[in-house]
Amino acid sequence: QQPVQSPQAVILREGEDAVINCSSSKALYSVHWYRQKHGEAPVFLMILLKGGEQKGHEKISASFNEKKQQSSLYLTASQLSYSGTYFCGTEKANDYKLSFGAGTTVTVRA
Amino acid sequence: DSGVTQTPKHLITATGQRVTLRCSPRSGDLSVYWYQQSLDQGLQFLIQYYNGEERAKGNILERFSAQQFPDLHSELNLSSLELGDSALYFCASSVGASGTSYNEQFFGPGTRLTVL
Repeated sequence: QQPVQSPQAVILREGEDAVINCSSSKALYSVHWYRQKHGEAPVFLMILLKGGEQKGHEKISASFNEKKQQSSLYLTASQLSYSGTYFCGTEKANDYKLSFGAGTTVTVRA
Repeated sequence: DSGVTQTPKHLITATGQRVTLRCSPRSGDLSVYWYQQSLDQGLQFLIQYYNGEERAKGNILERFSAQQFPDLHSELNLSSLELGDSALYFCASSVGASGTSYNEQFFGPGTRLTVL
């Protein structure tokens, strides 16, 4: 079952912050985050395993709330290079399949 | 460059035909995944292989089949093609299998399939 991502799209000015949410109705083993620029392949950002950990990649970080089955991706002090579509992928325990959300399109303007 | 290679980059064919897409994983990666990306369906998981064995199957049509060879490269075969099969097909690879903590996936550049 596909996770639900919100918002669908966000427009930022350089230096602003944003949060992208990813929710699942099922118990999750892991959450993956990827960024895809137009015409390119998705690029791995980070993976979070159940346990409520938080991870960071440059000024992009994420958290995983196991109780709520929800993950959030935080874009801090956004840069032009952050523009793209962000996908969360969720993996249920013992399921071995990564289901991707519909994506959140982030546009960062100068 | 993720280290995952896919060929061909573009493929144009007619309905009813059969095509084969090829993927070579990153050096050292044992898992290969296939995804279909279309405008209206997003990224859809098709199938996963780990060290030559099928590990998980997603929404893969019966007209589609895949395999992973002893040298770990993989092929996705699409037959009896329909207009709706037109999409971008990505291959990804990871060190470990899904269900482990070592399955961050690295995507290849994709094969754009157009069925006319």
